[in-house]
Amino acid sequence: DSGVTQTPKHLITATGQRVTLRCSPRSGDLSVYWYQQSLDQGLQFLIQYYNGEERAKGNILERFSAQQFPDLHSELNLSSLELGDSALYFCASSVTPGLARVNEQFFGPGTRLTVL
Amino acid sequence: AQKVTQAQTEISVVEKEDVTLDCVYETRDTTYYLFWYKQPPSGELVFLIRRNSFDEQNEISGRYSWNFQKSTSSFNFTITASQVVDSAVYFCALSEGTGANNLFFGTGTRLTVIP
Repeated sequence: DSGVTQTPKHLITATGQRVTLRCSPRSGDLSVYWYQQSLDQGLQFLIQYYNGEERAKGNILERFSAQQFPDLHSELNLSSLELGDSALYFCASSVTPGLARVNEQFFGPGTRLTVL
Repeated sequence: AQKVTQAQTEISVVEKEDVTLDCVYETRDTTYYLFWYKQPPSGELVFLIRRNSFDEQNEISGRYSWNFQKSTSSFNFTITASQVVDSAVYFCALSEGTGANNLFFGTGTRLTVIP
């Protein structure tokens, strides 16, 4: 158990809908990262938050957004869903943003999103 | 630009055999970090090791060992005396020392250990 929790574990929805994925980082971790794992794109970085502020963006679609709350949990919002958004979405957390070093990231169990 | 290549898509070995998973990386940064993660059939990503670019010492942890060679930009992972529980997809990842600290993953190597 990495200490990172994600809910829900599975999500099935229809095209055009909007969903919210939730992540709670390990106790003490200030950084949260979101990744998408799909068959055609592999594991891709989406976005990073540090202590409530957006820190870095990767290949995140405009239809997707995220935020990190004062209690450090994070939510990833996916809207106008398309079939191609079906994937496993991981949240990861790490201790620091890595100003002096890059720390290992600990991953949650993932949320499997199926868009029908 | 950064890139991680895992040329071996799938490997099958018989239990107790040794197996090496290859990882080749590209980066322009002089400071970077390399990682290996394991994804068992249950789907979670399990952290195995982190290595920074200044430390080329090989590392051994039980049946696992890692060989980091900057001259060939490789960070290979060897499992000695493989076991069925080692069956998983293994990902090599790179994080550059400047800018964002996100992980760039390779495409993974699926290891199957046959009893």
